[in-house]
Amino acid sequence: EDKVVQSPLSLVVHEGDTVTLNCSYEVTNFRSLLWYKQEKKAPTFLFMLTSSGIEKKSGRLSSILDKKELSSILNITATQTGDSAIYLCAVVITSGTYKYIFGTGTRLKVLA
Amino acid sequence: SAVISQKPSRDICQRGTSLTIQCQVDSQVTMMFWYRQQPGQSLTLIATANQGSEATYESGFVIDKFPISRPNLTFSTLTVSNMSPEDSSIYLCSAPGTSGEQYFGPGTRLTVT
Repeated sequence: EDKVVQSPLSLVVHEGDTVTLNCSYEVTNFRSLLWYKQEKKAPTFLFMLTSSGIEKKSGRLSSILDKKELSSILNITATQTGDSAIYLCAVVITSGTYKYIFGTGTRLKVLA
Repeated sequence: SAVISQKPSRDICQRGTSLTIQCQVDSQVTMMFWYRQQPGQSLTLIATANQGSEATYESGFVIDKFPISRPNLTFSTLTVSNMSPEDSSIYLCSAPGTSGEQYFGPGTRLTVT
């Protein structure tokens, strides 16, 4: 069964801290891995990773994929209270068509 | 990136009634997806809506309970039928971008009393 697992489930940090969120997967026909930020209802797209070892970066957020370890990390440096959200990882597989398998998410709370 | 609108944004419904959620994409897309997110849970795919064919439902979801329409390449509806309190969730529609990433609508928060 295809599976995506995120850790930790929740995390509380103080402003200015650096956090690392983990996503591991066991799937067949891997195509890509996606990271999302969910603050209220709708997840907002952050990164798409397809190649191992190539870092994607946007401001204080960065992410990298390790296909050998079947995992990805999302780093947030100099955290701010606005980073408080649920961070979702999703793996895209191809089985005739695209299918998206979401992890359980990591709930991040950044304290002022 | 696709821009997706969804309505209603929230609703409170009585047990036994039905609610239809509308989803509009600003560009033509072959596939649209409907998800449910129950409180404290991750996203669960309900079905994939393909234009011109029947929706494909995931295990545990059936057409009688969640009928879907896909009349054209920019629009879809999901109906939650004969609702019970267990159907209280956020319902999200989404569409893929050009590289396979997914974009989501703003979501519908449904409360069934």
